[in-house]
Formats: sequence, structure tokens, C-alpha cells
Amino acid sequence: KNEVEQSPQNLTAQEGEFITINCSYSVGISALHWLQQHPGGGIVSLFMLSSGKKKHGRLIATINIQEKHSSLHITASHPRDSAVYICAVHNFNKFYFGSGTKLNVKP
Amino acid sequence: DAEITQSPRHKITETGRQVTLACHQTWNHNNMFWYRQDLGHGLRLIHYSYGVQDTNKGEVSDGYSVSRSNTEDLPLTLESAASSQTSVYFCASSDGGVNEQFFGPGTRLTVL
Repeated sequence: KNEVEQSPQNLTAQEGEFITINCSYSVGISALHWLQQHPGGGIVSLFMLSSGKKKHGRLIATINIQEKHSSLHITASHPRDSAVYICAVHNFNKFYFGSGTKLNVKP
Repeated sequence: DAEITQSPRHKITETGRQVTLACHQTWNHNNMFWYRQDLGHGLRLIHYSYGVQDTNKGEVSDGYSVSRSNTEDLPLTLESAASSQTSVYFCASSDGGVNEQFFGPGTRLTVL
């Protein structure tokens, strides 16, 4: 059983579309992270959340602690957003990672 | 600029050999982590350290060891490489328990 589940696993969108990636977790958490991994392999941290909502440019991340659910939204998607998006939760000294959502944005 | 580097970026070795992957960060972060990434498994934590002389086992620590003799470095050693350890290895660091992690570029290891 995976402690962190992401959906969808794969997502194809047209440029300009609004995108939502979902993350559900089954453990108590100290924080939740959204990571972006580009085709070249590098991993970048996008957000760290423990409550509420954060916004950075066209990216918005929300978390509902009671429902153990987080969403990553991308507004006005662009081909450069094509990447794998990974949800990770921090449970005290343990880390759990989702298997990632592969996003492909077509021009 | 502060950064986190890994070396080598690519390594091919034979079964049974000892291999050490280097990780060096100039962020002055106390926390450092080693992960492996495999298709179908996502990132999995191997070992982590919260400071000098501190090391802890992660989810998949068997066959791996680390040592932390200074703040900047956390080398990962495969004592006797196995084909199951063929993977991409990422090092990361952070300045606090739940804070943002900064990832290195990764090392692709192939064990033949």
C-alpha cells in the first residue's frame, strides 16, 4: 500500500489549458511538498505546504489536512510545463513520495 | 552561488565492487539525504543525516552506508554492488526538518 497516491499518472493537455494534479496521503504529516522533475532529470522543489494555499506565478498548491489531500494547479499551461510532478509528504523523520504525474503540454 | 553537486554523474561498475558516490553542498545545510529513483517506485529514501556524525537509515538502506564527517559532504557507499542497485541516485539538502529540499543533478549508476 502506498502512503502517497497521485492522480492522474499521465496527463496530456493543450497549451493554455488549466491543469490539476491530485495527491492523497494516508499518514499524518508535518508538511507536504510538490516537486518538479524535468526531462533532463533535475528535481526542483515547487512548494512546501502545511496548511492552506500557496501561489507562485501560474502555479497554485492547496492542501486540505482534514481530507489528507493536496492539489497542484497550473493556469494557462505552456509546453515548458511538461515535466513529472511529484508529491511528497514529511511525517516527522520519514518521507513518502508519490510515483509522479507525467504532464505533457502540447503547443 | 550556493549549490549541491554530485559526482560522478555516470558510473558503470561490476557486481561485487565497492562504489562511492559523492555529494557536496555549499548551502551550509544541516540536513542531507540520499534517494534512489527507479521506474515504478518513484523516489525512495536510502539514508539521511541531520548533522555531523549523525546518520539514519531510510526505507531502502540495505547494502548502502553513509558517513557525515563535515557539514558539506555526505558520501554514499555501496559496499558490494549488486545489479539491483542499478538506479539513478539523488542527493538533497535542507536547512530544517520540514523545509524545502534542494536536489543535486543525480548520478546514474549501472551495475553489470
